[in-house]
Amino acid sequence: EAGVTQFPSHSVIEKGQTVTLRCDPISGHDNLYWYRRVMGKEIKFLLHFVKESKQDESGMPNNRFLAERTGGTYSTLKVQPAELEDSGVYFCASSWTRGSDTQYFGPGTRLTVL
Amino acid sequence: EDKVVQSPLSLVVHEGDTVTLNCSYEVTNFRSLLWYKQEKKAPTFLFMLTSSGIEKKSGRLSSILDKKELSSILNITATQTGDSAIYLCAVGRRSSGAGSYQLTFGKGTKLSVIP
Repeated sequence: EAGVTQFPSHSVIEKGQTVTLRCDPISGHDNLYWYRRVMGKEIKFLLHFVKESKQDESGMPNNRFLAERTGGTYSTLKVQPAELEDSGVYFCASSWTRGSDTQYFGPGTRLTVL
Repeated sequence: EDKVVQSPLSLVVHEGDTVTLNCSYEVTNFRSLLWYKQEKKAPTFLFMLTSSGIEKKSGRLSSILDKKELSSILNITATQTGDSAIYLCAVGRRSSGAGSYQLTFGKGTKLSVIP
C-alpha cells in the first residue's frame, strides 16, 4: 500500500511569488490534514479535510494560504503571495475514517522563500 | 494554550543502552497520545495511547500513558544505531467544530546512538 506522497520535495521561490504544494493521501482515507513546521518550532496544525469539505481551518495563518481538495482525493495548498515567514516544512497526513486518531504522514515539502 | 513538552531535547547514548523519553501535555479535549519516529523525512507512526496505565510494546520499544500526571514515556531498550532519529510526541484532541480532530506536537527528542 502506497503511503502519503507529497510534491515537490523542496521548493525555493522569491518573496511575492506563488507556490502550490500537492498531497496525495493513502487511498481510501477520507481525512486529510496539513501541518507546518517553521524552523526551531514544533509541527503545527493548519487544516483538516473530510473528503472534499474543510472540517477545520483554524490553523491557517492568513488568507494568503488556500487549500483545496476537489473530488475528495488529492489536496493542494497554495501560498500567494509568499512571504519570508512562510518558509518551513509542510507536512500532509491522512487517516481512515472520521474519529480515527492515527494519522499517517508524508515526507513533507520544504519551502524556502528568499 | 495547548502545549506538549518533550524532554530531553537531545540525547546521545551508546549502543546497548536503555533510554526513556518523556512527554507531558496540557491539552483541552484530550483524545489520544501518539508517538512518531522521524528519521529523514516522514514521521512514522509508533504508538497510539488512549488508556492510562496500559503499556504498548513493539519489539524493543514500549510506551505508557499516565492521564493523572498528563504524561507519557517512550522506552527503548538495547538501543541500536538504527534507533537514531527524532522522536515526536503528539496529542490528539477534538477541536472546535463537529467531528474535527487535530494533533498538537512537541518539539521532539533527538536521539543519537553511537557504536
